Amino acid sequence: KNEVEQSPQNLTAQEGEFITINCSYSVGISALHWLQQHPGGGIVSLFMLSSGKKKHGRLIATINIQEKHSSLHITASHPRDSAVYICAVISNFGNEKLTFGTGTRLTIIP
Amino acid sequence: KAGVTQTPRYLIKTRGQQVTLSCSPISGHRSVSWYQQTPGQGLQFLFEYFSETQRNKGNFPGRFSGRQFSNSRSEMNVSTLELGDSALYLCASSLAGFGYTFGSGTRLTVV
Repeated sequence: KNEVEQSPQNLTAQEGEFITINCSYSVGISALHWLQQHPGGGIVSLFMLSSGKKKHGRLIATINIQEKHSSLHITASHPRDSAVYICAVISNFGNEKLTFGTGTRLTIIP
Repeated sequence: KAGVTQTPRYLIKTRGQQVTLSCSPISGHRSVSWYQQTPGQGLQFLFEYFSETQRNKGNFPGRFSGRQFSNSRSEMNVSTLELGDSALYLCASSLAGFGYTFGSGTRLTVV
């Protein structure tokens, strides 16, 4: 079993829909990251969370430390949101390395 | 400010050769980490350097090595290339507690 699990693996939605991507992890963490990867490979860091909730534009990320679960929400989705979204954690064992989920491929249809 | 710069963007090498990839971090960032991304294994951590010292290492064979210079620029080297080393290699620089900034990656193809 992977330390970081994401669901769904693939998600197709109509423009304007509310999107939720989930991430569950099995280790104690010091921080969780949400990353966005567009075709071509470049990765953009969207959020770094250690508790609570963060919002940036139409993107919202939440984390529940007790349940070892995080969600990424996209409101009013747009075709330019189409990308792979990756959850990554840093364990709290003093070892600052990212462990990645397998990613969620999001496609927004106009 | 300039982002993280990786060179080259694309590379084709033959089995058995070695390759060196370069990463220039954001000015002021002292931590540089390297990752391998393949369709089968996804993103995997290779190693992290901080102030010229390797601070963490992932589960890769010794053919994968790296170093960091006094200006924080980092290189990674893969010796005796295998077909399975074909991948997108990403580096990221970070300032403690402020997340990661990734480069655009180097796409390595081993033939």
